[in-house]
Amino acid sequence: DAGITQSPRHKVTETGTPVTLRCHQTENHRYMYWYRQDPGHGLRLIHYSYGVKDTDKGEVSDGYSVSRSKTEDFLLTLESATSSQTSVYFCAIRAGGYGYTFGSGTRLTVV
Amino acid sequence: AQKVTQAQTEISVVEKEDVTLDCVYETRDTTYYLFWYKQPPSGELVFLIRRNSFDEQNEISGRYSWNFQKSTSSFNFTITASQVVDSAVYFCALSEARGGSQGNLIFGKGTKLSVKP
Repeated sequence: DAGITQSPRHKVTETGTPVTLRCHQTENHRYMYWYRQDPGHGLRLIHYSYGVKDTDKGEVSDGYSVSRSKTEDFLLTLESATSSQTSVYFCAIRAGGYGYTFGSGTRLTVV
Repeated sequence: AQKVTQAQTEISVVEKEDVTLDCVYETRDTTYYLFWYKQPPSGELVFLIRRNSFDEQNEISGRYSWNFQKSTSSFNFTITASQVVDSAVYFCALSEARGGSQGNLIFGKGTKLSVKP
């Protein structure tokens, strides 16, 4: 399996503070994704990347930005966290043949 | 636009019962992939199966089986002789494979399965 790690695994932050979540892969895959999971909504796509410096918005991108300066790292930033961004965040990579691998998730609580 | 519908929000069964989880999808593409994932209480997403749109053959893996029917745009998942360890949230997902789609994976809202002893 492709190596994919998310950090941190858990975070509690205050409303209005910036937060950055990191997704790191070890196998040089081109496509990377950020999802959020909320009860009753399943997983929804926030942003995705199709290469270094190539990113685009997903279904629920408002309030989030991303960056990918290296193939292996895909960062998700909440510029000013709000309580509505309390969620579990998953990163994913897509290998060849449409095989997706997910990270273990980051549980973010905004108080 | 692509869409995945899992109409069953929660299902509760008693151990050893068979249970079918429904998944209906929408896509304008002729080439796409369908997936099922399991999310146990521990929270990780566990890949179960991937099926491409050109392969309508049903698949069986142990107690798990999948029925793909393009005519009804459905990709249903059956667990035979359910066990307590099958208790989880199950997600169906779709990825279009046409150029320009970027292969984004779109999920249904999930079905929570509870298997009682």
